[in-house]
This record gives sequence, C-alpha cells and structure tokens, in this order.
Amino acid sequence: EAGVTQFPSHSVIEKGQTVTLRCDPISGHDNLYWYRRVMGKEIKFLLHFVKESKQDESGMPNNRFLAERTGGTYSTLKVQPAELEDSGVYFCASSQRGTRGETQYFGPGTRLLVL
Amino acid sequence: AQKITQTQPGMFVQEKEAVTLDCTYDTSDQSYGLFWYKQPSSGEMIFLIYQGSYDEQNATEGRYSLNFQKARKSANLVISASQLGDSAMYFCAMRAYFGNEKLTFGTGTRLTIIP
Repeated sequence: EAGVTQFPSHSVIEKGQTVTLRCDPISGHDNLYWYRRVMGKEIKFLLHFVKESKQDESGMPNNRFLAERTGGTYSTLKVQPAELEDSGVYFCASSQRGTRGETQYFGPGTRLLVL
Repeated sequence: AQKITQTQPGMFVQEKEAVTLDCTYDTSDQSYGLFWYKQPSSGEMIFLIYQGSYDEQNATEGRYSLNFQKARKSANLVISASQLGDSAMYFCAMRAYFGNEKLTFGTGTRLTIIP
C-alpha cells in the first residue's frame, strides 16, 4: 500500500511569488491534514479535511493560504503571495475514520524556502 | 487546549542500551490519544506507537513501548536495545477524540546513538 506522497519535495521561490503544494493521501483515507514546521519551532496544525469538506481550518495563518481537496482525493495548499516567514516544512497526513486511534500517517514533507 | 512538553532537547545513548524519552502532556479532555513519531535525517515522519487514554495496558510495538502514567500525565517512550538506526528526532503528540482532531506536538528530542 502506497503511503502519503507530497510534491514537490523542495521549493525555492522569491517573496511575492505563488507556490502550490500537493498531497496524495493513503487510498481510502477520508481524513487529510496539513501541518507546518517553521525552523526551530513546533509542528503546527494548519487544517483538516474530511473528504472534500474543511472540518477545521483554525490553524491557517492568514488568507494568503488556500487549501482545496476537490473530489475528496488529493489536496493542494497554495500560498499566494509567499512571504519570508512562510519558509518551513509542510507536512500532509491522512488517517482512516473509525480505526483504532485514527493514527495519522505523514508524508515526507515539502521544504519551502522563500527568499 | 492541549500541551505537550518534551524536556530533553538532545540525548546521547550507547548502542544496545535502553533509552527513555520523556513526554508530559496537559489536557482537559477525558478521551485522548498519545502518539510517538520518529523523524530521521531524511525528514519523513514515521509513526511508532499509540496509546489511548482508556487503555489499561501500556502499548508495545517491537522494541518500542510507551510508559503511560495517566495520573502523572506522562507518556514516555522506551526504546530497548538501541540501534544506530534509531538516531533521529522523536516527537510526542496527542489529540482529543471528540471535537478537535488535530495533533498537538512537542518540540522533539534529538536522539543520537553512539557506536
């Protein structure tokens, strides 16, 4: 069974540009989460999808961040326009509802550097 | 609100020795889950072990065990017979089971196994 995949693995952009991150969850997982780790700080929650619906987007830092999950499969996270403080590692995770613990399985992350 | 505290920023352990990574938590939720993840230098987040707040026995997964002390709000990870491949960052995390499903992470412990 394929794990959570994320694309790209790295992205270097200039301040003011747009970047779109993609996450493909484990097949059959209805829950999809985005997290971010800024250098030296804790991993922080951004938002949670259940299928195509946003269940919780309380962690989204501001309206420069837009997440979608059309069709309830893969998800994209767009940052527009990117700022220096957006640099960090963006993780996607997925879990299957109704399983013990609903363990979240993480992708390898996208390392974003905004110059 | 939930909070995870990992007080050991770094640890050095001799190969084949057992190691305990500390984790304390704070929550007002009655039902919750505790998780440990490993992040090797390659960057991916690997799920290690899960403990439910109502589980009567401590969780074990191979060389990993979780020393759960509910009254003390601690969920320490024990790795037996450490191996060089155990060198990594280790994150303790928790989530509630009703309402907010996001994971709250600690700051992590960097474990280095010495040959």
